[in-house]
Amino acid sequence: DAGVTQSPTHLIKTRGQQVTLRCSPKSGHDTVSWYQQALGQGPQFIFQYYEEEERQRGNFPDRFSGHQFPNYSSELNVNALLLGDSALYLCASSSGTSYNEQFFGPGTRLTVL
Amino acid sequence: AQKITQTQPGMFVQEKEAVTLDCTYDTSDQSYGLFWYKQPSSGEMIFLIYQGSYDEQNATEGRYSLNFQKARKSANLVISASQLGDSAMYFCAMRYINTGNQFYFGTGTSLTVIP
Repeated sequence: DAGVTQSPTHLIKTRGQQVTLRCSPKSGHDTVSWYQQALGQGPQFIFQYYEEEERQRGNFPDRFSGHQFPNYSSELNVNALLLGDSALYLCASSSGTSYNEQFFGPGTRLTVL
Repeated sequence: AQKITQTQPGMFVQEKEAVTLDCTYDTSDQSYGLFWYKQPSSGEMIFLIYQGSYDEQNATEGRYSLNFQKARKSANLVISASQLGDSAMYFCAMRYINTGNQFYFGTGTSLTVIP
């Protein structure tokens, strides 16, 4: 049973570019949440997707957007990259009936130069 | 406002000894969940233990136990019989049961187990 998978593992971009990160949830999970973890900090909630819609959003600008597909996989898009967007981006999946069971993927480390 | 506070940036413990990692939280809600996650250098967050705000018994999972003191708003993690593989970052997190599925994380504690 595959857990949460994320791609790519690492990514290097320059300021102003756009990036797309991908996440496949754990089998049986239908809810995907995205977190940003800056160096030396705890993860910060970006948003959550359920039934292909953004259900909840944290305090992040509109440059951060997402999408969920019918197979429950999800993408995180960040436009007009800033140096401060450099971080580990974590995807977490859960079931709509048991939010306490949130499983995280290995993350995508984004470096913005 | 900071909802989760972890005041120990770094901790050291001798192998086979017990260690307590501190966590305090701030909320006026009555229904919430408290979690501890372990993050090795690989980056993946590994779930360790969960405590519901209405649970009367402290949660235990193998060598992990959660010392829940509701009146003090603290949820300390106790790791017994530390192992070298326990060296990692540890994060305390909270979720409000009734108002959403967002997890709030603390800044973490780096634990190093010394042989």
